[in-house]
This record gives sequence, structure tokens and C-alpha cells, in this order.
Amino acid sequence: DAGITQSPRHKVTETGTPVTLRCHQTENHRYMYWYRQDPGHGLRLIHYSYGVKDTDKGEVSDGYSVSRSKTEDFLLTLESATSSQTSVYFCAISESFGGSPLHFGNGTRLTVT
Amino acid sequence: AQSVAQPEDQVNVAEGNPLTVKCTYSVSGNPYLFWYVQYPNRGLQFLLKYITGDNLVKGSYGFEAEFNKSQTSFHLKKPSALVSDSALYFCAVRAGTTDSWGKLQFGAGTQVVVTP
Repeated sequence: DAGITQSPRHKVTETGTPVTLRCHQTENHRYMYWYRQDPGHGLRLIHYSYGVKDTDKGEVSDGYSVSRSKTEDFLLTLESATSSQTSVYFCAISESFGGSPLHFGNGTRLTVT
Repeated sequence: AQSVAQPEDQVNVAEGNPLTVKCTYSVSGNPYLFWYVQYPNRGLQFLLKYITGDNLVKGSYGFEAEFNKSQTSFHLKKPSALVSDSALYFCAVRAGTTDSWGKLQFGAGTQVVVTP
């Protein structure tokens, strides 16, 4: 596996609480991504980053924010968690934005009760 | 807009038989196409990609895929399936233009079940 670590691996939280998921990479790749995986939807892009402090929205960004203060770390924050955000969250990295494939972490399973 | 369809939720095949997982796409301009595999409780792993060149692409673990521009398809194939190939397979596409950067569109996934 590429050097990608997601933490925590599992989290249960209550509706309305803030949650931060962390992605840490040791590959020094410039591009990082947050996806969520839900049955029947495949993976959907939440936010992505093309450098330190450079981020942009994906197709399902509402209710989520991100930050990238260092090349190796990309944080995903749910400001006020809702039950619809119960999902498996994957971080990915890529060396370039052209034909480079994405390399994924092992995911964080988040349950919002 | 770009989209990708995997018409089969599940494919069942006996070990040793050929395996095909279907994928069709819609994208403006030339497509960048990818296949990924996911094992339980793991992230997606890259199998192969088509960017340009030969329509038949070979990838990891004996998998290959054929790009068909006229049918807008990129089916994944393996000549002889193994029980260990049982997993969830995702096709993904994005347009080969700079403004589509980051916009990799994934299919819903196809569960492959290989029986001994």
C-alpha cells in the first residue's frame, strides 16, 4: 500500500457534533482527495487539494470543510455532523493530475447517531 | 458532464472460467479510464488505466481491459478467474482536459463472486 494513513479508522458520533478526520501521507504527493463511499453510489468526491493551502470543492462538498497546512496532512471536518454523513470516508493521493492513478487509504467508517 | 455506468451489480463466475466486468462511459473529448478493485475493509487498489495508445491495456493480477471508442466501453477481463478475485470492482473516468482535473467519476461498482 502507498504510505497513506487515515485516522481514526472507526468513529461513532452524535448528530450536531464536529468531527475531524485526518489523512497523512509519506509519499510527498502534491494532490490529495477526500471521497465518501455509499452503497449504490460508488465513490463521490468531497474536496481535493492541489497543494498546501490550495483546495477546491468536489461534487458533494456541502457540510464539509478541509484544510491542508502541510504537504503530508489533509484534514476533513464535518462542522455539525448529520445522519446523512454516515459513510465510509477515503483519502487518496496522486502524483499528478494527468494520468496518474489515485492511491487510497484504508478508510474511516463514520457513524452519526 | 461525465458519467460512468456499471450495468451489473454482481457477476458470478466459476473458478477457471473467463471473467468480464462491464463499464460504459460518457465524457466530452478523450477519456482517461481506470479500473480499481476493493477488498473488504480496504481502500481501492489501482488495476489498470487507459490514456492513449493500444486499445488493449494490461494491468495487475492478470487483468486486462479493452477500450472501445465507438461503443464508449472499457470492459475489464481476466481469462481465468481465481477465487481470490472475488471483490468489488470500480470503473472510473474523467475527461482528458485540464478543466476536468480532480473530477474522476466512479461507477457504482460490480461485486465479483468466484466460486470454487
